[in-house]
Amino acid sequence: EVQLVESGGGLVKPGGSLRLSCAASGFNFRSYSMNWVRQAPGKGLEWVSFISSSGSSISYADSVKGRFTISRDNAKNSLYLQMNSLRAEDTAMYYCARGEQWPLWGQGTKVTVSS
Amino acid sequence: QAVVTQEPSLTVSPGGTVTLTCGSSTGAVTSGHWPYWFQQMPGQAPRTLIYDTNNKHSWTPARFSGSLLGGKAALTLSGAQPEDEADYYCLLSYSAYVVFGGGTKLTVL
Repeated sequence: EVQLVESGGGLVKPGGSLRLSCAASGFNFRSYSMNWVRQAPGKGLEWVSFISSSGSSISYADSVKGRFTISRDNAKNSLYLQMNSLRAEDTAMYYCARGEQWPLWGQGTKVTVSS
Repeated sequence: QAVVTQEPSLTVSPGGTVTLTCGSSTGAVTSGHWPYWFQQMPGQAPRTLIYDTNNKHSWTPARFSGSLLGGKAALTLSGAQPEDEADYYCLLSYSAYVVFGGGTKLTVL
């Protein structure tokens, strides 16, 4: 089955860290760019980060630049988002989504930043 | 980073036609922004309806179409159905990043 499954979300204190994972299956993961997108409770979608198929090209939204790091392991069909110095405003559902026509989204993993 | 604007809410009658638009703070939206349109039902992940201005995925109902209209990207729904009631988001690509619009809540009533 073609799918993306996120994991790693949870409750973390302000200033803490969390690492999200996105497991891909059913397609040739190494051939596609990937994105992380988030959605705060009751709010709209916000693009977070992009990584090219090889990992050689990476970009971030200004809101997370310097705090979040995107990476991928094509041998493991996995995408990651290392989130450091977390703030209350990072509280959101985090989705991974395949690039190139964006045909595939995961169901999301919830991150709550609260003391 | 650029700001992408959408109508906060729109209402359409069942069977009616409605157009949602997507503008950019940097100027006219062109095909070079590779406009996307996404639909999100309550409690669900988004799904992509339109990519690269006017291309549909296999699951995109024929009643949805994408275009450029008056310097904006547009999503037109012709023959609205009750199940089309949802939030709709556009996405525009810039040189090094992409930006979602704030979303349009579409009511079919």
